[in-house]
Amino acid sequence: QLQLQESGPGLVKPSETLSLTCTVSGGSISSSSYYWGWIRQSPGRGLEWIGSIYYSGTTHYNPSLKSRVTISVETSKNQFSLKLTSMTAADTAVYYCAREVGNRSGYSYWGQGTLVTVSS
Amino acid sequence: QSALTQPPSASGSPGQSVTISCTGTSSDIGGYNYVSWYQQHPGKAPKLMIYEVSKRPSGVPDRFSGSKSGNTASLTVSGLQAEDEADYYCSSYADSSYVFGTGTKVSAL
Repeated sequence: QLQLQESGPGLVKPSETLSLTCTVSGGSISSSSYYWGWIRQSPGRGLEWIGSIYYSGTTHYNPSLKSRVTISVETSKNQFSLKLTSMTAADTAVYYCAREVGNRSGYSYWGQGTLVTVSS
Repeated sequence: QSALTQPPSASGSPGQSVTISCTGTSSDIGGYNYVSWYQQHPGKAPKLMIYEVSKRPSGVPDRFSGSKSGNTASLTVSGLQAEDEADYYCSSYADSSYVFGTGTKVSAL
């Protein structure tokens, strides 16, 4: 059974860069023809797609976050990562990593999510 | 890229049917047959209930069904059960990205 687990700091200071990693187990990130994504949810709010990456390194980003987001993949570690720069309070959210069910078809596997708070 | 529009809430008695709408544009819902629906219980990660407009992942009860007409997609929960009480989000593929809906809280009265 495929499992995803987010890891990273729970607290980030304003203006700093958030770095999160998603570790995949139960399957290889490079053997699947799927995109791997990051989605976030602000407290009491809805879901927001951040971006996604293919095992080859091809990325797609939310246009509203594109200038601040970098998603990368490390196939040797079966991990992919998110970097979000210039963090503000508005970036406080639960961050999820996920895998598509099929190309463009939505996300069938999700991590449990990790809460990131932006505060000094 | 604006969020898809969903009603804030929907409700029904146990055993009844509830339908949730999700309205987008020709650039997202209307342009692709890649609408998905997620169920989210408090404190939990979203769970995929419907993908590609009307397909159900393995393990999702057939009480859940999806459809699309023009720029609007719909999720119907037939035979509403207490465990169906949750937040539901629609999503659509849109030009190399995804857009999510505003979310609907479903209550079983």
